[in-house]
Amino acid sequence: EAGVTQFPSHSVIEKGQTVTLRCDPISGHDNLYWYRRVMGKEIKFLLHFVKESKQDESGMPNNRFLAERTGGTYSTLKVQPAELEDSGVYFCASSQDLRSANEQFFGPGTRLTVL
Amino acid sequence: AQSVTQLGSHVSVSEGALVLLRCNYSSSVPPYLFWYVQYPNQGLQLLLKYTTGATLVKGINGFEAEFKKSETSFHLTKPSAHMSDAAEYFCAVRGNFGNEKLTFGTGTRLTIIP
Repeated sequence: EAGVTQFPSHSVIEKGQTVTLRCDPISGHDNLYWYRRVMGKEIKFLLHFVKESKQDESGMPNNRFLAERTGGTYSTLKVQPAELEDSGVYFCASSQDLRSANEQFFGPGTRLTVL
Repeated sequence: AQSVTQLGSHVSVSEGALVLLRCNYSSSVPPYLFWYVQYPNQGLQLLLKYTTGATLVKGINGFEAEFKKSETSFHLTKPSAHMSDAAEYFCAVRGNFGNEKLTFGTGTRLTIIP
């Protein structure tokens, strides 16, 4: 069974440009999460989808970030326009259902560098 | 609100020595606690988790952790370090149903000295 995949693995863009990150969860997983790790700091929650609906987007930093999950399958996270402080590693995770303590499976992350 | 504190951003141990990575948490509800490991160029992999029941939890690769409610701790241990244990380790806490997001500590990078 394929794990969580993320594309691209690395992205280097200039301030003001737009970048779109993609996450493909494990097949059949209704829950999809985005997290971000800024260098040297903790991994922070961004948002949580249940199928195509946003369950919790309390961690989204500002309106330059837009996440979508059309059809409840893969998800995209768009940053527009990118700022220097957006640099970091963006992780995606998925889980099968909302039973207590159900494991979240993580992808390898996308390393975003904004110059 | 929940929070996690990992003491020591870098820990070095000799091969064969005890590994002890510290994690303290804060939670207003009975927590679910996790340890994840990240090897270079890979995603986070679950090592072990505590939900309810036995407070000593065994995970993969010989790691274990003990939930101590009175100390609000969930320290990770391994009796004998192996070179392959070199990685970054993350402690995380999540709440109950309706609050599934993970709150992570800042991570501890473990180096194994030959």
